[in-house]
Amino acid sequence: EAQVTQNPRYLITVTGKKLTVTCSQNMNHEYMSWYRQDPGLGLRQIYYSMNVEVTDKGDVPEGYKVSRKEKRNFPLILESPSPNQTSLYFCASSPDRFTDTQYFGPGTRLTVL
Amino acid sequence: AQKITQTQPGMFVQEKEAVTLDCTYDTSDQSYGLFWYKQPSSGEMIFLIYQGSYDEQNATEGRYSLNFQKARKSANLVISASQLGDSAMYFCAMREGRNSGTYKYIFGTGTRLKVLA
Repeated sequence: EAQVTQNPRYLITVTGKKLTVTCSQNMNHEYMSWYRQDPGLGLRQIYYSMNVEVTDKGDVPEGYKVSRKEKRNFPLILESPSPNQTSLYFCASSPDRFTDTQYFGPGTRLTVL
Repeated sequence: AQKITQTQPGMFVQEKEAVTLDCTYDTSDQSYGLFWYKQPSSGEMIFLIYQGSYDEQNATEGRYSLNFQKARKSANLVISASQLGDSAMYFCAMREGRNSGTYKYIFGTGTRLKVLA
């Protein structure tokens, strides 16, 4: 089944403890992206990647890192999480940079205490 | 600045009636894509409909249609014959940046739709 998977789905952590949220897609998609969703703000793009080793900042990249070493994986790294990074995170992918429609993962709900 | 505006935080509609969710956008790109997504209470993002900026016909997908008015920079979603299962949050989104090579996505703040029996 074609899908985007995220792990973990739920995470409660404490300030400053490094964490990684994984994202994987099995559709050989080139373009992948991370978003955070906050009440009243909609979804905001954190980082995106147009292919292996090619990443760029979205609108809210501060406090996050990403890497794209393999085509299928696009992990989101929080080196020192803070409470203002408590949010619902979505990973998404699309076949290539020229295809507009994205496929979303199920979301990861992160709470930073 | 590029942005998406959804001015209706919440709406009610009677079951079986049609409803229009408003969306306006702002971009300096000539080539862009517009989307609508549905987010039910379970949280997943469900793609509903897509309109390319160069598409002359309004997009339709079953009960969903996108009323695209390029000169007014609006991309309203019309849901015909509303069903109880349509109760959800709806997001309008835009993909732009082809001209600059950035390929970014921008989302609106959403409209929460409640369908009444």
